[in-house]
Amino acid sequence: GENVEQHPSTLSVQEGDSAVIKCTYSDSASNYFPWYKQELGKGPQLIIDIRSNVGEKKDQRIAVTLNKTAKHFSLHITETQPEDSAVYFCAARDNYGQNFVFGPGTRLSVLP
Amino acid sequence: NAGVTQTPKFQVLKTGQSMTLQCAQDMNHEYMSWYRQDPGMGLRLIHYSVGAGITDQGEVPNGYNVSRSTTEDFPLRLLSAAPSQTSVYFCASRASGVETQYFGPGTRLLVL
Repeated sequence: GENVEQHPSTLSVQEGDSAVIKCTYSDSASNYFPWYKQELGKGPQLIIDIRSNVGEKKDQRIAVTLNKTAKHFSLHITETQPEDSAVYFCAARDNYGQNFVFGPGTRLSVLP
Repeated sequence: NAGVTQTPKFQVLKTGQSMTLQCAQDMNHEYMSWYRQDPGMGLRLIHYSVGAGITDQGEVPNGYNVSRSTTEDFPLRLLSAAPSQTSVYFCASRASGVETQYFGPGTRLLVL
């Protein structure tokens, strides 16, 4: 089955700097890759996603890139703000197309 | 819309006790899922349902039962709680043909 790895597990950046979180997946048939943000005491919330027919997608300060050949995808956050501090999860849709396999998460801290 | 709701928010059980975690959604979503979240392990799928009357096992189903008698509700039952089931449990839902999952706020369970 699908396996998703995520690095780093923790990341601290200064406010205004950029943050990059990287994920790799194992199943070349996976075709949909969402990113979730989880704030303290809340459930995960979708922030951006990308499909396998697209190499990059942007939404304001957030962007995701996908390299299908290498089977990895990355989340880029520019001009980080304290409210970006949270745990971020990447995921890949499994080969049955119904469920998602999640990475272990990255705790991002944006220092003022 | 209330979205996805979960009750209780927090529960303490003794080993061997049983309980039901409630999940409800008011978005008429066909797909509903239960995940558990443990430190360093991301979200792992316990059980899922593609519609009323249909359920299936996920990655970590042992010790848990589910049923789906209505579109709105998807309760998770622990028949005989074990300390290994100490975790945070999230319910999620999504519409058929749509990839965006909506998560509930979670239930924190402590088994002594």
